[in-house]
Amino acid sequence: AQTVTQSQPEMSVQEAETVTLSCTYDTSESDYYLFWYKQPPSRQMILVIRQEAYKQQNATENRFSVNFQKAAKSFSLKISDSQLGDAAMYFCAYRTLRGGSEKLVFGKGTKLTVNP
Amino acid sequence: NAGVMQNPRHLVRRRGQEARLRCSPMKGHSHVYWYRQLPEEGLKFMVYLQKENIIDESGMPKERFSAEFPKEGPSILRIQQVVRGDSAAYFCASSPGVSSYEQYFGPGTRLTVT
Repeated sequence: AQTVTQSQPEMSVQEAETVTLSCTYDTSESDYYLFWYKQPPSRQMILVIRQEAYKQQNATENRFSVNFQKAAKSFSLKISDSQLGDAAMYFCAYRTLRGGSEKLVFGKGTKLTVNP
Repeated sequence: NAGVMQNPRHLVRRRGQEARLRCSPMKGHSHVYWYRQLPEEGLKFMVYLQKENIIDESGMPKERFSAEFPKEGPSILRIQQVVRGDSAAYFCASSPGVSSYEQYFGPGTRLTVT
């Protein structure tokens, strides 16, 4: 079964600094998508960034970028120039189409604190 | 285009009562997914539905839980005879189809069982 592991329950960063959140996953599929979601205190799930496994180029969205290492099954999120509004839970997720279904498998999350 | 709507946002039920959670997908979306988030946990897949069909309910407890997505109207997640362990946030997501890789999430329903 697919699993997603986030090994950092909590992280903190100074405002304007850079922080990297780790994520590893396990799968036997060759084609898949990976996502990072942000969940602020409002609990709304907000898509931050996505990566298609067949693309070698790492995805970038403004201050957010990923380091996708397919062979190592690693998908880390880098947040540059951290802002107070970045404080939230961050979830790594894997999209599987196994068995004719479609679902997201989430990690347990990393709580990010941004210090002024 | 309005986003995914869920209601109620908060629901309090006493043990043994029934809980009905509603999800209206985005316009044009025919695929609905339900996830549960226990305190301090990530989201866990429960069920995947298309209009009038359950495609995958492998994440849903066999007893007391059921889901539907009728031809007309919202998708409903129904929990009968709720217990304290059902207290969680329940999220609905929708997509226009499998070819669209992104699922759009609603704001969630926070169920509290007293």
